[in-house]
Amino acid sequence: SQTIHQWPATLVQPVGSPLSLECTVEGTSNPNLYWYRQAAGRGLQLLFYSVGIGQISSEVPQNLSASRPQDRQFILSSKKLLLSDSGFYLCAWSRFAGTTGEQYFGPGTRLTVT
Amino acid sequence: SQKIEQNSEALNIQEGKTATLTCNYTNYSPAYLQWYRQDPGRGPVFLLLIRENEKEKRKERLKVTFDTTLKQSLFHITASQPADSATYLCALDVGTSYDKVIFGPGTSLSVIP
Repeated sequence: SQTIHQWPATLVQPVGSPLSLECTVEGTSNPNLYWYRQAAGRGLQLLFYSVGIGQISSEVPQNLSASRPQDRQFILSSKKLLLSDSGFYLCAWSRFAGTTGEQYFGPGTRLTVT
Repeated sequence: SQKIEQNSEALNIQEGKTATLTCNYTNYSPAYLQWYRQDPGRGPVFLLLIRENEKEKRKERLKVTFDTTLKQSLFHITASQPADSATYLCALDVGTSYDKVIFGPGTSLSVIP
């Protein structure tokens, strides 16, 4: 069966500090990978998606970046965090070239920028 | 502009009743629509998918309808239980090759014993 891991679970970082969130998927090959952010009481905002190693597309201009160094690893980064980067970050995967697009989410990382 | 709307307020219902959640959209033509459940502090969990050519889909106590003319989906939970309390999200396919979906804001459901 497939599993998706995210870490850390919670993070408190000062403004201007760097960020690195990691996501790994097990039990599937060549998945589509996604990073979402969910602000308190809000819906999911798609930040980045990837259809393969090294292939990253950004949905929203911001000071975040993403990388996919391995097939089942997806990393979200920032060089300098802003207060507005606080939120609940979710990684998700879907089957490559799937026809129904069900997405499977990780447990999330709660980021607080102080 | 494109928009997805769900019940604007939280929904409180009595245990055993049927909960009905709505998802309305404008300026989209989705090939399918999905429903997810999200518990506090957790990632969403996929529940059901319904395609544009399907009127209704059922899974255990869950039923989803999809009316492409009204641009609306209804999500029903019959014989609701306190364990059904959660936020429910609808998501629309936006027709890309990588299965991009757009999520609605969600509806918070509380089932009162």
